[in-house]
Formats: sequence, C-alpha cells, structure tokens
Amino acid sequence: AQSVTQPDIHITVSEGASLELRCNYSYGATPYLFWYVQSPGQGLQLLLKYFSGDTLVQGIKGFEAEFKRSQSSFNLRKPSVHWSDAAEYFCAVGQSLGGGADGLTFGKGTHLIIQP
Amino acid sequence: GAVVSQHPSRVICKSGTSVKIECRSLDFQATTMFWYRQFPKKSLMLMATSNEGSKATYEQGVEKDKFLINHASLTLSTLTVTSAHPEDSSFYICSGWGGETQYFGPGTRLLVL
Repeated sequence: AQSVTQPDIHITVSEGASLELRCNYSYGATPYLFWYVQSPGQGLQLLLKYFSGDTLVQGIKGFEAEFKRSQSSFNLRKPSVHWSDAAEYFCAVGQSLGGGADGLTFGKGTHLIIQP
Repeated sequence: GAVVSQHPSRVICKSGTSVKIECRSLDFQATTMFWYRQFPKKSLMLMATSNEGSKATYEQGVEKDKFLINHASLTLSTLTVTSAHPEDSSFYICSGWGGETQYFGPGTRLLVL
C-alpha cells in the first residue's frame, strides 16, 4: 500500500527566509506526486505535481519541488516566504496523474507559521 | 482553475439523525468524485470514489450503509451520513476529477451532538 510521510508537524519560518517542507513516500511503482495547500475556509489548492520528466517541478506562488527517486522524497521549497504562505501543506501520492479514478493518499500535513 | 462547492459549509445535528452534504462541480463535468474525511491534526483519508451513474466504491473500513453516496449527475455528488453519532463529527471534503487533476471543495464541518 502506498503511504506518505511528512516528518514535520509544524515549521516556523521568518518572512523572507527560505523554506523546505519534507515529504517521503512509499509506493511500488512510479508515483504521481502532488503538493497541496489548505487555508482556513478554502479548499485544497494544487501547488504542483510530478508525474515524469524533469525532476525539478515549478508550481504556483513561487514554489518548486524536487523528485528524488533514490531517497523516495518530494520536498517542497520556496526561496523567500511571504506572510500569506502561512497555511497547512499536504503532500500526496496517486496511482495516476491527478489521482484519476483512484483517489489520493495524503500525508498528515505540515503547518507553516510565518514570523514577522 | 475549476471550482467545486460544498453545501452546507457547517452543520450541527442531533445524534441519530441523518445529514446530507452536497458537492457540486460548478464549471466542469466530473465523471468521478471523491469523498475524504479529515480529522483534527490528521491527513485527509479517502472514504469513497463515486462515478456518475454507478455505485460508489468504498475504502476498506468505511461503512457503506452509514455513508451513502449518490452521484446522480456529472456535476453533483451527495454524501448522506445516516444515523449520525458523535464519532462521525469531522471535516468532510469532496473533490472532482477534472480530467487533469482533482479539484477540491472547501469542506463541510459536521458536529453531531
């Protein structure tokens, strides 16, 4: 069975500083990997996704993520965070692009706190 | 991006009653919709997958007689929590498959007293 681990329950970063959120997955085949952000009262918003090709993926809001097969990781990064980035971040794995007909398996999330 | 709405956004009900939650894809047709449940400080857990016009497929451990799912059209799926109990209190989120990715609704907070 597939699984996703986000080791950090919460992370505090100063505004303007760089950010890296960790994600490790367990999946037998080639994974489809996603990062979502959840803000209070908002639905989950897709930041970026990886399914093949270049292992460094660019997303919205200045985020990027790098797929490392040898480490089973898909860490999310941003060079300079803004106060508006404070939210809950979820890494997810699917059996097909976009989840398809199979649904997604989510990590437990990382709560990002931005210090002024 | 595509928009998915949920109604109601929050609901409080008495133990033993049934509650219906609607999930609508507003600007796209979703042949497949998913229902997730999110516990506090926990990840989203897939409950079931529903395909328009057919019976939903439930994940292991999810009671299909308690969580009734109907996907009658390409833009509407409903989740009915039957004979709700306090342990059913949770945040329920739906998503629609839009051809390239899943688009998520804002969620419904259910509190069973």
